[in-house]
Amino acid sequence: AQTVTQSQPEMSVQEAETVTLSCTYDTSESDYYLFWYKQPPSRQMILVIRQEAYKQQNATENRFSVNFQKAAKSFSLKISDSQLGDAAMYFCAYRSATGSSNTGKLIFGQGTTLQVKP
Amino acid sequence: KAGVTQTPRYLIKTRGQQVTLSCSPISGHRSVSWYQQTPGQGLQFLFEYFSETQRNKGNFPGRFSGRQFSNSRSEMNVSTLELGDSALYLCASSPGGVNTGELFFGEGSRLTVL
Repeated sequence: AQTVTQSQPEMSVQEAETVTLSCTYDTSESDYYLFWYKQPPSRQMILVIRQEAYKQQNATENRFSVNFQKAAKSFSLKISDSQLGDAAMYFCAYRSATGSSNTGKLIFGQGTTLQVKP
Repeated sequence: KAGVTQTPRYLIKTRGQQVTLSCSPISGHRSVSWYQQTPGQGLQFLFEYFSETQRNKGNFPGRFSGRQFSNSRSEMNVSTLELGDSALYLCASSPGGVNTGELFFGEGSRLTVL
């Protein structure tokens, strides 16, 4: 069974600084997706960034980028130029790409609460 | 395009009662998944419905059930409520194909069991 681990329950960063959230996962599959989701206090989960395992290039979305190390099964999220609106809980998630039956099933880490200090 | 809509947003029940939660996916999405979020267990997958059929199920007791209608709207039901069922229940939709990427989440239904 696949597992996702986020070892940092809480992180804080100064506004305009850079912060990195860690995520490791365990799987025997070779084809999968990895995601970072953001859950602000309003509770709606929003996709931050996604990475397909077959792509070696790290995904980037504006101020958000990942460091995907497939062999090490590591998937960290870097937030540059942190803003007050980045304060939220961040979840790392895994989805198998093997077979259609796994399409809607995400395996989540425990989450990291990010505090942004003005 | 309207997002994923969940109703009700908040509800309070007592032990032994049952509850039904509703989810309307994004237009055109055929897959609806349900998740339970609690402080202790985090986010756990309940089940997924695609084209009115359950095609994936998490490790929850039979008191948790769901269904999907022909318009892709989904409902989940929890019978004989227990205190431990208090949680935020999240619904997520996706187009449903094999190469589907991310899921799109609703705001959730906050269930409190007294």
